[in-house]
Amino acid sequence: EAEVAQSPRYKITEKSQAVAFWCDPISGHATLYWYRQILGQGPELLVQFQDESVVDDSQLPKDRFSAERLKGVDSTLKIQPAELGDSAMYLCASSLAGARDTEAFFGQGTRLTVV
Amino acid sequence: SQQGEEDPQALSIQEGENATMNCSYKTSINNLQWYRQNSGRGLVHLILIRSNEREKHSGRLRVTLDTSKKSSSLLITASRAADTASYFCATVSPPFGGGTRVLVKP
Repeated sequence: EAEVAQSPRYKITEKSQAVAFWCDPISGHATLYWYRQILGQGPELLVQFQDESVVDDSQLPKDRFSAERLKGVDSTLKIQPAELGDSAMYLCASSLAGARDTEAFFGQGTRLTVV
Repeated sequence: SQQGEEDPQALSIQEGENATMNCSYKTSINNLQWYRQNSGRGLVHLILIRSNEREKHSGRLRVTLDTSKKSSSLLITASRAADTASYFCATVSPPFGGGTRVLVKP
């Protein structure tokens, strides 16, 4: 069964360092999402891509966070510099091209700890 | 925001009992989805109900939708320990509320 792949599963980084997460969506899924989930809370949408274009990045802290999906397939989310408050689970999800309100498939997430 | 908000925040039941959780949302929707998240894992899609549907079943899951009240409910019948998880409703994109944490005790 096709899955959304994310790496790494766990990352510990020091405050002020740079960190990057990678996501490979299900083949054929043009829509890709990055979420941040703080422990005990629901996922918060950071950025949504349609192919290689950003559809929504209104909640992305652009002074330190960046996201790209250069060829419209896999995607990278970067934080530079990391802050203690960035400790969270970062989830990637994908869904079928051009379809709103459809099922999203999630990866296992990257658990980030900033020390 | 069109995100759903789940109620209650937490629920503890005995194995074999039914679990019911509710979701309220603010604006018109095309459909509403329910997801499950086991501790430390990604979310798994459970069921999608369209705005013209009132009830939908999938195995031990029953979802209802009342668009006039902008609310939905998820019922898990004959719960099992493996149903212990957080449950989220989602509308559009999908953004999420805080979820309902369900604990099923053996």
